[in-house]
Amino acid sequence: GDSVTQTEGLVTLTKGLPVMLNCTYQTTYSPFLFWYVQHLNEAPKLLLKSSTDNKRTEHQGFYATLHKSSSSFHLQKSSVQLSDSALYFCALSDGNNRIFFGDGTQLVVKP
Amino acid sequence: AQTIHQWPVAEIKAVGSPLSLGCTIKGKSSPNLYWYWQATGGTLQQLFYSITVGQVESVVQLNLSASRPKDDQFILSTEKLLLSHSGFYLCAWSLDWGNYAEQFFGPGTRLTVL
Repeated sequence: GDSVTQTEGLVTLTKGLPVMLNCTYQTTYSPFLFWYVQHLNEAPKLLLKSSTDNKRTEHQGFYATLHKSSSSFHLQKSSVQLSDSALYFCALSDGNNRIFFGDGTQLVVKP
Repeated sequence: AQTIHQWPVAEIKAVGSPLSLGCTIKGKSSPNLYWYWQATGGTLQQLFYSITVGQVESVVQLNLSASRPKDDQFILSTEKLLLSHSGFYLCAWSLDWGNYAEQFFGPGTRLTVL
């Protein structure tokens, strides 16, 4: 069945360093991938989305490229800030109103 | 502008007691509506979705039920709570059917079952 895998449960970085959060997926449908960010005690909010192969999508300094050949949609940022500390979810839509979320990666940015 | 409201904000209930959580969307007609459950610090599990009044699809079986009595209202309920029902319940809506459907989440209801 459809699924999303995020390999890192926790990523701890110093402010100003680059980050990559991994996301791979499995689906028999044409993939629609999302990254959501959830700050402490808040609801998740959409960060990025894509369904186009090999096209980079960017928002708020974060970027990701959907690679259908490797079933990946890794999230990156060139320089993390303290305010980027949050829980990040990769999600997959099967195109029929079913959404599958990964386990999430907790990003902690230290001064 | 669309707004999403969930009630109650938090609830503490006893095992075996009934539960009803609500969600209302304002400013958008005929939205797709969703219920999610999130364990503390955990992933989001989609529970139900609805594309129209009176029609609800179940995604996972967790001894919960959902109903959509009005276009802008989505209700999550159970007659008998389990300890495993504790967590954060999020209602969400989307503009589009199926594909590329960005989820707009409500503020959530934190449920503690004792």
